Amino acid sequence: DTAVSQTPKYLVTQMGNDKSIKCEQNLGHDTMYWYKQDSKKFLKIMFSYNNKELIINETVPNRFSPKSPDKAHLNLHINSLELGDSAVYFCASSLRGGNEKLFFGSGTQLSVL
Amino acid sequence: DQQVKQNSPSLSVQEGRISILNCDYTNSMFDYFLWYKKYPAEGPTFLISISSIKDKNEDGRFTVFLNKSAKHLSLHIVPSQPGDSAVYFCAAAGSKTSYDKVIFGPGTSLSVIP
Repeated sequence: DTAVSQTPKYLVTQMGNDKSIKCEQNLGHDTMYWYKQDSKKFLKIMFSYNNKELIINETVPNRFSPKSPDKAHLNLHINSLELGDSAVYFCASSLRGGNEKLFFGSGTQLSVL
Repeated sequence: DQQVKQNSPSLSVQEGRISILNCDYTNSMFDYFLWYKKYPAEGPTFLISISSIKDKNEDGRFTVFLNKSAKHLSLHIVPSQPGDSAVYFCAAAGSKTSYDKVIFGPGTSLSVIP
């Protein structure tokens, strides 16, 4: 039973399209995150939510919009996809927030053509 | 602006020997450090952490050393096993309990040769 699951695992799409990535955690954690791993392999935080409340909102284009319907789910919607959005996106969760250990999903490889 | 650096993109070690992965950071406000391990097509998994009040933390075959004056930490794996072959990310944060973002390094790919 996967702790942090995200779907889809692979997403190939055309420039200009709108797509969503879903994330669910069954660990009972309070905080969820979206990270982006770029072509240089750096993992950079995009957003974090604690009990459905936005805590961290990095300098991310407003084409990216997270949505947290409840504390077990954090979805990422991306509008008007651009070539530079191609990356691996990781969802993660932590028990209370702060910087205690993160539990990551297996990632979504997004390729924008 | 790389606040967390892992200057060795890759490292090869013989099985049974010690693996030493290094990490340097530039922000003196970092107070809490973590190591994550990542296999291909999987997400990173937490390995070990250390707070700045300590200079060493050990968990089985894994030991992290922190030299705060040098802004340097290292992960030692003894003895190295083929299953340890993975990418290792060093990460740093303001504290364990704050909501400061965690800054990750670019990773070091470790290959343990049987």
